Amino acid sequence: DGGITQSPKYLFRKEGQNVTLSCEQNLNHDAMYWYRQDPGQGLRLIYYSQIVNDFQKGDIAEGYSVSREKKESFPLTVTSAQKNPTAFYLCASSHPAMPREQYFGPGTRLTVT
Amino acid sequence: GENVEQHPSTLSVQEGDSAVIKCTYSDSASNYFPWYKQELGKRPQLIIDIRSNVGEKKDQRIAVTLNKTAKHFSLHITETQPEDSAVYFCAAVRPGDSSASKIIFGSGTRLSIRP
Repeated sequence: DGGITQSPKYLFRKEGQNVTLSCEQNLNHDAMYWYRQDPGQGLRLIYYSQIVNDFQKGDIAEGYSVSREKKESFPLTVTSAQKNPTAFYLCASSHPAMPREQYFGPGTRLTVT
Repeated sequence: GENVEQHPSTLSVQEGDSAVIKCTYSDSASNYFPWYKQELGKRPQLIIDIRSNVGEKKDQRIAVTLNKTAKHFSLHITETQPEDSAVYFCAAVRPGDSSASKIIFGSGTRLSIRP
């Protein structure tokens, strides 16, 4: 799977609950990213992290939070404040020598009802 | 900020024919343009890219062209095959000296190859 994994593949939650999506990589990549994919809208950047204990907001960070306590892990929490959380979430990572070549995980499809 | 527009949103071609997907970008500072292919239910994967100092790049049946003046770039697939059916995303990236890069993606083109 290319060294970057996301779990679970499918996730169902009730409205009003926070939910955390997992992303792990063993590629020794410094940078990690979270994207949201909706039909007809491509991929939009939620958060990204260049190094451990550092992260920056992307274009659609409202209603989401992240942490980067370990180089290998970059979990994303979808909070109850996110108005429309149902989507396909993709995690990616990149090597510092080639930051513009991003490797994607398999994705998590979140459904909130 | 950067905006990337991609057309068409859907494209159906006969097997063996060519397919062309076009993108425009707004930020003239962008200098790297990757293309990703996402098969149904799978992760996006980089298939080809082009840097701003190059006008064209080819890799077997796929090629990309870049017109920096017009801020257009295109993906060309020749002799299409059933396995080319997927969603294709163009993207633009600004130069930067950080270890992370923000990629701005187009909205995607769903390519279907008719047998």
